[in-house]
Amino acid sequence: QKEVEQNSGPLSVPEGAIASLNCTYSDRGSQSFFWYRQYSGKSPELIMFIYSNGDKEDGRFTAQLNKASQYVSLLIRDSQPSDSATYLCAVNNAGGTSYGKLTFGQGTILTVHP
Amino acid sequence: DTEVTQTPKHLVMGMTNKKSLKCEQHMGHRAMYWYKQKAKKPPELMFVYSYEKLSINESVPSRFSPECPNSSLLNLHLHALQPEDSALYLCASSQKTSGPNTGELFFGEGSRLTVL
Repeated sequence: QKEVEQNSGPLSVPEGAIASLNCTYSDRGSQSFFWYRQYSGKSPELIMFIYSNGDKEDGRFTAQLNKASQYVSLLIRDSQPSDSATYLCAVNNAGGTSYGKLTFGQGTILTVHP
Repeated sequence: DTEVTQTPKHLVMGMTNKKSLKCEQHMGHRAMYWYKQKAKKPPELMFVYSYEKLSINESVPSRFSPECPNSSLLNLHLHALQPEDSALYLCASSQKTSGPNTGELFFGEGSRLTVL
């Protein structure tokens, strides 16, 4: 069974701190990995995606991928209260013609307190 | 603001009703999706259309019937639903239909469905 697991939350960090969100996946054939943010009552929005081992940075966000360990993470630097949301890890694991066939993790609720 | 528009935003229907959810995008994306999301759960894929043809049906009950009239429109026809079908129904689109970034989805705001 293809599974995506995220670190259990909720996660609470003070404003200005680094928030670390973790995700593991079971299918070694998974090709690409996505982080979506979902505010309460809203739809998911893509923050970043990564498909090569290593780090990928975009502003305050850094995605890290380690395919050998089947591990992907998202770091949020200088966390702001506006970052408070549910973060969904998603894995595209059906091959090159998989369209947007994503398997989502259960999500981690992040709260950034002033 | 999202470039994927879903209507209606809220829908209440009885188990014998027939209703439809509509989705529209004008980004030129060739893949469109229906996801279902229950409260405090992640989205679950229902259907994928690629170039207006149904590509993936995730074993969804026949009381849900998708339709893609053209490259910009996606409908979900609902008939004889059950109360457990109450959920947020999310439409999404993507530019790519293959390759590593096919999961770069643009979601609409969703249609919140309540089945009585």
